[in-house]
Amino acid sequence: DAGITQSPRHKVTETGTPVTLRCHQTENHRYMYWYRQDPGHGLRLIHYSYGVKDTDKGEVSDGYSVSRSKTEDFLLTLESATSSQTSVYFCAISGQGYGYTFGSGTRLTVV
Amino acid sequence: QQQVKQSPQSLIVQKGGISIINCAYENTAFDYFPWYQQFPGKGPALLIAIRPDVSEKKEGRFTISFNKSAKQFSLHIMDSQPGDSATYFCAASRGAGGTSYGKLTFGQGTILTVHP
Repeated sequence: DAGITQSPRHKVTETGTPVTLRCHQTENHRYMYWYRQDPGHGLRLIHYSYGVKDTDKGEVSDGYSVSRSKTEDFLLTLESATSSQTSVYFCAISGQGYGYTFGSGTRLTVV
Repeated sequence: QQQVKQSPQSLIVQKGGISIINCAYENTAFDYFPWYQQFPGKGPALLIAIRPDVSEKKEGRFTISFNKSAKQFSLHIMDSQPGDSATYFCAASRGAGGTSYGKLTFGQGTILTVHP
């Protein structure tokens, strides 16, 4: 998707290992979000950021941390991956108007 | 907890038919109601959105109907086409996306299949 890139696109990791997902934007938007998508649950907010070094928790934040040292980058870290964190992770950005722009997602499998 | 409930989970429609997806919300402070369309392997993309000051919004074959008193809103896809086959999510937020309030709460999603 234009202006927002997620990496990696796919990752398989072992239980107990730390994992970091990256979201990079070129739109200079202030707000960035991390969601996870699971069947039957839609998209659920993990963490969001409203500026550099300003972050807050969403509804499913346990086991996750985030960092935003630059406007363009928002990192999601799974401190010790568990099988319940197998999911598709989406980053989104928003500016002053309504509506989000989503990245293409990262499919994470924890084995 | 702020919830948005979406139904049905899946929907099969013949080409040319009308697809209808419904959502209900609880938080009366919500003032922005978008619908997102997602194709396999892609992120959700904004399809159409409505504010509670109007009861209906139409963009091409897509229409949102909004019932503030019932706290419900729905997406109607007229003349459904096979290319409309995708997952649809309703969502709601309080305030614009560019504010600390503008966190979207999503419904569970509806998988739409349009048969040729």
